[in-house]
Amino acid sequence: QVQLQESGPGLVKPSETLSLTCTVSGASISGYYWSWIRQPPGKGLEWIASIYNSGSTKYNPSLKSRVTISVDTSKNHLSLKLSSVTAADTAVYYCAREGLYDDYSWFDPWGQGTLVIVSS
Amino acid sequence: DIQMTQSPSSLSASVGDRLTITCRASQSISSFLNWYQQKPGKAPKLLIYGASTLHYRVPSRFSGSGSGTDFTLTISSLQPEDFATYYCQQSHSTPWTFGQGTKVEIK
Repeated sequence: QVQLQESGPGLVKPSETLSLTCTVSGASISGYYWSWIRQPPGKGLEWIASIYNSGSTKYNPSLKSRVTISVDTSKNHLSLKLSSVTAADTAVYYCAREGLYDDYSWFDPWGQGTLVIVSS
Repeated sequence: DIQMTQSPSSLSASVGDRLTITCRASQSISSFLNWYQQKPGKAPKLLIYGASTLHYRVPSRFSGSGSGTDFTLTISSLQPEDFATYYCQQSHSTPWTFGQGTKVEIK
């Protein structure tokens, strides 16, 4: 059974860089796209970026200039860095696997999520 | 970006009710439409992909239909564990986008 676990600081100061890690267990990180998705408190879901183990990446244009996504196959984890954060980046951050069949894709499973608050 | 609009934003219903939630895309997305269920404090869970294919272990009271721009999620007989927020998501083209959510509350 594939499980994902996000980790990282719960509090980040404005203008600094948010850094999160997602550890994957129960499956190899190779051979799939892995994604970061966020959800501001009380609001909806926003896809941030996805990465394949080969390094192929997809970004949400609204965040692309501030986002770095990477994968470490030796540690079976993926990482997210979001620079120049503001209060608007306060959210629960989820990692998820992109399932694929034919041309259809979806997010499953998801990690439990980690709340990151941007505040001085 | 493809905009996804759900209706209603919230609704109240009773156990046993038949429920329909609508999702509309700002342009045609064929059948590249997924549905998720999210309970408070939990991550979303995939219910349906490809507009109508039930994810494994999802009860058969859930069903999805539609193609092009208009889609529906139907719960044939609402159960207590179904009170949650439901999101649609398009997988036609990046950036992947979600609807704003439909909160299903107990009447």
